[in-house]
Amino acid sequence: DTEVTQTPKHLVMGMTNKKSLKCEQHMGHRAMYWYKQKAKKPPELMFVYSYEKLSINESVPSRFSPECPNSSLLNLHLHALQPEDSALYLCASSLVIQNSYEQYFGPGTRLTVT
Amino acid sequence: QKEVEQDPGPLSVPEGAIVSLNCTYSNSAFQYFMWYRQYSRKGPELLMYTYSSGNKEDGRFTAQVDKSSKYISLFIRDSQPSDSATYLCAMSADGGTSYGKLTFGQGTILTVHP
Repeated sequence: DTEVTQTPKHLVMGMTNKKSLKCEQHMGHRAMYWYKQKAKKPPELMFVYSYEKLSINESVPSRFSPECPNSSLLNLHLHALQPEDSALYLCASSLVIQNSYEQYFGPGTRLTVT
Repeated sequence: QKEVEQDPGPLSVPEGAIVSLNCTYSNSAFQYFMWYRQYSRKGPELLMYTYSSGNKEDGRFTAQVDKSSKYISLFIRDSQPSDSATYLCAMSADGGTSYGKLTFGQGTILTVHP
C-alpha cells in the first residue's frame, strides 16, 4: 500500500482565519514533505521532516507552520494567509530522507484564500 | 537557465502511438531521475525512477538516462486515452544537503485521443 491521505480535499478560508491541513501515511515512512503547487507549475518544496524533526524549511513565510506529531502524521497550520497562497497543497512521504527519489504523494488539498 | 528544462507541450497523439517525453538538465550532480504522472486536480504519481545512466522498463513505460548528454526520456508504448495527463520529470543529487530535494521540470501536458 503506497497511500498518503490528505484532509480536507478542499478548503476555503478568509485572510483572518486559522485552519490546518492534515496528512497521514501508514507505510512506516520516516520522511514527510509539504509542497505547494500552483496551476500549470511543478510542485515547490516547502518543508521536510525527517524522523519527526524539521529538516528543511525552504524559506517559507511564518504564516505557514508545520508540525509532525508522530511518524504517521503531518500537519500544516495556516494563519493570516494571502490570496496568492491559494494553491494545491501536496503532502508526500518516503522511506527515509535519503530515499527522497521515491516519494509518494497524496491527492492534495485545494486551498482558496478569499 | 533553469536546472531542468522540459517542453510543456501540449502534446497530442492518437491512441496506440509511441510517445516520447524528454528533459534536459544542467546540474551534473544529479544522480536520480524520476518520472511522475499527474492527472488533473490530483497529486503526482511516481511512475519510475532510475539511478545514474541506463534504461528501465515497466510495462508500457521505458525510462532512459544519458548522463553524458544530460538528457532523459520517457517512452510510452501503445498509448491509451487513460495516459492523458501531465508528465513531470524530477531529479535529485545524492548526499549531504541534497537529500530531500527534488528539482522538477515544468511538466508536459499529454493528450491521447481515441
